[in-house]
Amino acid sequence: AQSVSQHNHHVILSEAASLELGCNYSYGGTVNLFWYVQYPGQHLQLLLKYFSGDPLVKGIKGFEAEFIKSKFSFNLRKPSVQWSDTAEYFCAVNAGGTGGFKTIFGAGTRLFVKA
Amino acid sequence: EAGVTQFPSHSVIEKGQTVTLRCDPISGHDNLYWYRRVMGKEIKFLLHFVKESKQDESGMPNNRFLAERTGGTYSTLKVQPAELEDSGVYFCASSFSYEQYFGPGTRLTVT
Repeated sequence: AQSVSQHNHHVILSEAASLELGCNYSYGGTVNLFWYVQYPGQHLQLLLKYFSGDPLVKGIKGFEAEFIKSKFSFNLRKPSVQWSDTAEYFCAVNAGGTGGFKTIFGAGTRLFVKA
Repeated sequence: EAGVTQFPSHSVIEKGQTVTLRCDPISGHDNLYWYRRVMGKEIKFLLHFVKESKQDESGMPNNRFLAERTGGTYSTLKVQPAELEDSGVYFCASSFSYEQYFGPGTRLTVT
C-alpha cells in the first residue's frame, strides 16, 4: 500500500535558519509528488510539485524540493525561513498516469519560526 | 476564478444525528475528491468522483457515509448516523488533471 512518512512532526527554527523537512514515500510505480502548506486559519495550498523532468523543483516563496528516486524521498528545503513560514507542511503522493488519482498524505510537520 | 468552496465551515452535532456536507468544485473540474483529517493525523482519502461517477471509494470508512455528485457539479457527503470517531476536518478537492485544489474544509464535531 502507498504511504508517506514525514520525519518530523514539529520543528522550531529562528528566522534566517535553513529548513529541511524530510519526506519518504512507499510506492513502486511512477508517482507525482507534492508539498502542500496550510497557514494558520487558511486552507491547504500547493507549495510545489514534481511530475517528471528535473528532480530539483522550485516552488513559491523560495521553497524547493529534490526528488531522489533511489531513496524514495522528496525533501523540502528553504535556505532562510521567515516568521511568515510558520505553518503546517504536508508531503503527498499520487500515482502517475492519466489525471485524477487519490492523493496519499503524510502526517504533516508543524513549523514554528521564532521572530 | 472561484476556488473550491465548502459548506458549512463548522458543524457540531450529537451522536446519532445526521449531517450533510457540501462541496462546490472549481468550474470545469471533472474530478472531485473527499478527504478527512482526524485529530492531527494524516489527511486520508475518502473517495473520488469523475463527473457524477464514483471512480474510487476505497477510503470510505463504512456504510454510514454516503457521497453523491448529482449532475457532475457539486457533491454532498452525508454521515448518518454520526459517531464520535467521525469528528475531524473534511476536505474537498477538485482537479482537471494531477494537481488538486483544496477547499477550506468543514470541521465536524460529534458530541
